[in-house]
Amino acid sequence: QSALTQPASVSGSPGQSITISCTGTSSDIGGYNSVSWYQQHPGKAPKLMIYEVTNRPSGVSNRFSGSKSGNTASLTISGLQAEDEADYYCSSLRVFGTGTKVTVL
Amino acid sequence: EVQLVESGGGLVQPGRSLRLSCAASGFIFDDYAMHWVRQAPGKGLEWVSGISWNSGSIGYADSVKGRFTISRDNAKNSLYLQMNSLRADDTALYYCAKDTTEWLLPDAFDIWGQGTMVTVSS
Repeated sequence: QSALTQPASVSGSPGQSITISCTGTSSDIGGYNSVSWYQQHPGKAPKLMIYEVTNRPSGVSNRFSGSKSGNTASLTISGLQAEDEADYYCSSLRVFGTGTKVTVL
Repeated sequence: EVQLVESGGGLVQPGRSLRLSCAASGFIFDDYAMHWVRQAPGKGLEWVSGISWNSGSIGYADSVKGRFTISRDNAKNSLYLQMNSLRADDTALYYCAKDTTEWLLPDAFDIWGQGTMVTVSS
């Protein structure tokens, strides 16, 4: 199955909000509430940020939120901070997205 | 402390075999499905294989089907990946990951190990 499509990069200034999109099909994102988002800092293991489209695991900042519309899921980071600079991956039904590098200007 | 520790990686020639292990601690291992996810150098994440809590449901990515075998030993709190007929494109950092539920779907991986590197080269 093909990887889900994400923008290669997204950037924003501290305090701003940014949104990362993740596009799939009606067979994955569009058909099921099984969308997760992971944050990965260089040289580190991925960290679960959002699961089942909108749910935040314990300990994850409420600046991170997820949503879905049709075949596209989105991760929004509000109040952008320097520590948010990382790679972000979406996932649905065991298929990962292409990854998005978030840069804090 | 909840922890996953992978081992067994290394340099191996094409066509040979390797067995990865993942030792779990800090949670009730047999309550959760487990997965292997890999990341080639400088590339994105790729799900490799997953196994339900009781080994009753198992899945593989098309890229490894027929060559890799996942298994678990709940008595030893351990997950395994037997990799046969290895190819150069299997070169990657292999992560062990815990699911949030006992089944393979819906999938979300809330605990990850630090990974073990597999390099396939002559």
